[in-house]
Amino acid sequence: GESVGLHLPTLSVQEGDNSIINCAYSNSASDYFIWYKQESGKGPQFIIDIRSNMDKRQGQRVTVLLNKTVKHLSLQIAATQPGDSAVYFCAESRNTGGFKTIFGAGTRLFVKA
Amino acid sequence: DAGITQSPRHKVTETGTPVTLRCHQTENHRYMYWYRQDPGHGLRLIHYSYGVKDTDKGEVSDGYSVSRSKTEDFLLTLESATSSQTSVYFCAISAGQLLSNQPQHFGDGTRLSIL
Repeated sequence: GESVGLHLPTLSVQEGDNSIINCAYSNSASDYFIWYKQESGKGPQFIIDIRSNMDKRQGQRVTVLLNKTVKHLSLQIAATQPGDSAVYFCAESRNTGGFKTIFGAGTRLFVKA
Repeated sequence: DAGITQSPRHKVTETGTPVTLRCHQTENHRYMYWYRQDPGHGLRLIHYSYGVKDTDKGEVSDGYSVSRSKTEDFLLTLESATSSQTSVYFCAISAGQLLSNQPQHFGDGTRLSIL
């Protein structure tokens, strides 16, 4: 069946360390992937995206890796800061003749000072 | 941040009453979406719009209707609210064509409680 999941619902890291949030998807037809950050009481905020013709994309302190062989997506946050504490969602999108984006349930990241 | 305003931000109402949530954007984006967010679930699409007066159903559309009479406004209506519709509702917008895979940008949500 369809699934966009996260391996760990909660992740706790020390300030300054790197964080890695993982995501699995089941549909090999997915061709566009997005990471969002959601802080308490706010809407999801776009972080970074990647298309299926790429395997890595870097932003400011963030890197997304895509492994199509095992249908795995990860978000790496360098030098994690207290302001990075939030819930992180991955999402997959594909052209099904219409439009469909599936969002994962999210992983909560705690940053310890 | 994308110019998306949702109103009201919080609402408490009773079962059986009609409820309308508003989403207003200042980005002139063609595509607008309504999602609901519930514990243990990812965001689930209720309805979306691909232009003025052009709308379509999402995966959880039962009990909801939408209207888009202007590019900047997308309304979500619960004709007769039920307790199962207690949720946080998010509006999103995106630029570009549906098939070109553009990221969606979200408002800050409406927390709706139906007693």
